[in-house]
Amino acid sequence: GQQVMQIPQYQHVQEGEDFTTYCNSSTTLSNIQWYKQRPGGHPVFLIQLVKSGEVKKQKRLTFQFGEAKKNSSLHITATQTTDVGTYFCADTGGFKTIFGAGTRLFVKA
Amino acid sequence: EAGVTQSPTHLIKTRGQQATLRCSPISGHTSVYWYQQALGLGLQFLLWYDEGEERNRGNFPPRFSGRQFPNYSSELNVNALELEDSALYLCASSLRTSKYEQFFGPGTRLTVT
Repeated sequence: GQQVMQIPQYQHVQEGEDFTTYCNSSTTLSNIQWYKQRPGGHPVFLIQLVKSGEVKKQKRLTFQFGEAKKNSSLHITATQTTDVGTYFCADTGGFKTIFGAGTRLFVKA
Repeated sequence: EAGVTQSPTHLIKTRGQQATLRCSPISGHTSVYWYQQALGLGLQFLLWYDEGEERNRGNFPPRFSGRQFPNYSSELNVNALELEDSALYLCASSLRTSKYEQFFGPGTRLTVT
């Protein structure tokens, strides 16, 4: 079956450094959604990408959808301590949602 | 506007018992999703209900079941509980189809002893 893989599993950064998490699928993605889950919290929707090659920005966050729609990335510029948490990508096409395992971000002040 | 609510917050059961978890979606949302999140792990898709019908289920045994009521609230039942069922169970709701953003509830922490 389809697999959605995220790398890295963990990332430790110093505050102010950049961070990138990658999402790769074994099959073509329909739509990709990104969620953030703070420690002890529940996932919160960040953004959805639909079109091949699409790039969207939210302040310090940049989201990209690969040209072949088989991968996506989330880049955070100049991380802050408020960015800590786990970032999940999800393929939301079809009749089920398949989440990646997530990338847990640790930010040291 | 109220968000997705789930009850109970915590549930402690013993092996072999049954657990019932409840979820109320955001008003206007017809789709409800259930996920299992084992400690420190990702979200595993369990079930998707829309308009009272089960639309799809993930790779879980039949002892995981549920239903959606006419008011779109939903119930997840887990029969013959096993130790490895201990996890956070998250419910999410959305407008119809999974192509819309999902709004998650706070979850029910199920502990099986």
